[in-house]
Amino acid sequence: DSGVTQTPKHLITATGQRVTLRCSPRSGDLSVYWYQQSLDQGLQFLIQYYNGEERAKGNILERFSAQQFPDLHSELNLSSLELGDSALYFCASSLGQLYQETQYFGPGTRLLVL
Amino acid sequence: GQNIDQPTEMTATEGAIVQINCTYQTSGFNGLFWYQQHAGEAPTFLSYNVLDGLEEKGRFSSFLSRSKGYSYLLLKELQMKDSASYLCAVRDGIKAAGNKLTFGGGTRVLVKP
Repeated sequence: DSGVTQTPKHLITATGQRVTLRCSPRSGDLSVYWYQQSLDQGLQFLIQYYNGEERAKGNILERFSAQQFPDLHSELNLSSLELGDSALYFCASSLGQLYQETQYFGPGTRLLVL
Repeated sequence: GQNIDQPTEMTATEGAIVQINCTYQTSGFNGLFWYQQHAGEAPTFLSYNVLDGLEEKGRFSSFLSRSKGYSYLLLKELQMKDSASYLCAVRDGIKAAGNKLTFGGGTRVLVKP
């Protein structure tokens, strides 16, 4: 158990819908990262937040958005869902103080868009 | 940008040794990570290299050569539970990139009895 929690564990929805994925980082960690893992793309970095502010952005679609709240939990919002958005979505966290840090991953949310 | 290559799949026998290679081409470099991932589960941290050389951690060792853009993960005394995907990931050295990791496609290791 990494100490990172994610909810829900599974999500099934229809195309065009909107969902919210939630992540709570390890106690004391200020940085949260979101990754998407699909069968054909591998693990792809989406976005990083540090202490409530966006720190780095990867290949995140405009239909996707994220935020980190004052209590440091983060939410990833996915809208106008398409079949291709079906994937495992992982959240990771780290202290955020230094660049040489290990990221610890949560159990993931498996999203299926029908 | 980053380009990270590792073999797709490897098979080995229980008790044997397997070496998983990873080559990378990056615009910046600030460390290389290895993660283990069982199917459908979260990646779990195995090792980290930022300086050239070998890091040993029990049955797992990882090596880095920055000049060659090359790393390997060595798994010794293989056990059935080591059947998993092994992900090589590079952290960008560019400050604006934060701490983001770029992952290779992963190497699926199958351990046979």
